[in-house]
Amino acid sequence: EPEVTQTPSHQVTQMGQEVILRCVPISNHLYFYWYRQILGQKVEFLVSFYNNEISEKSEIFDDQFSVERPDGSNFTLKIRSTKLEDSAMYFCASRGGNRGSGSPLHFGNGTRLTVT
Amino acid sequence: EDQVTQSPEALRLQEGESSSLNCSYTVSGLRGLFWYRQDPGKGPEFLFTLYSAGEEKEKERLKATLTKKESFLHITAPKPEDSATYLCAVQSSGYSTLTFGKGTMLLVSP
Repeated sequence: EPEVTQTPSHQVTQMGQEVILRCVPISNHLYFYWYRQILGQKVEFLVSFYNNEISEKSEIFDDQFSVERPDGSNFTLKIRSTKLEDSAMYFCASRGGNRGSGSPLHFGNGTRLTVT
Repeated sequence: EDQVTQSPEALRLQEGESSSLNCSYTVSGLRGLFWYRQDPGKGPEFLFTLYSAGEEKEKERLKATLTKKESFLHITAPKPEDSATYLCAVQSSGYSTLTFGKGTMLLVSP
């Protein structure tokens, strides 16, 4: 069964450094997402991406965050200047169907980001 | 703003002891309600989508139901391998994103 893959599985970085989290969505999916989960808290939406542009974003997704689909397979989340509170599990997800289809999101196993 | 509340926060069952998890939601217009399973250190794994009140879906020992205000995930004769956190999420009309609840952590003892 096709799956969403994320790398690295764990990233440790110092406060103020830039990190790039990488994802390979399911190949025939057109909608891509980033979510995060701070330890012990709920899964929170960050951003959605379709047709090479951001379609929705949350209040969490401020100017320090950016997303990119640099080629036909990868989808990346960049955090420009990391803060301690950015420490979390970051999940990439992808979805098939059209915008109004209500088809499910399929998640990767996440990147655990630790900011020291 | 969409809201999802799950109860209980944690549930401990003996193997074979059936029970139900609850997901209460408020949403401006429901496009879909989703159940996911999450194992420790892993991403959410899709289980079911429910689209309208009265709908039911089944998969092995799990059955999900939906009303206009809540959804239940019924677990019949659970096994230890059913131990996980079960997440409920809603998708509202006009948006493709999901709003998640905090989840119910289920532990099934042999």
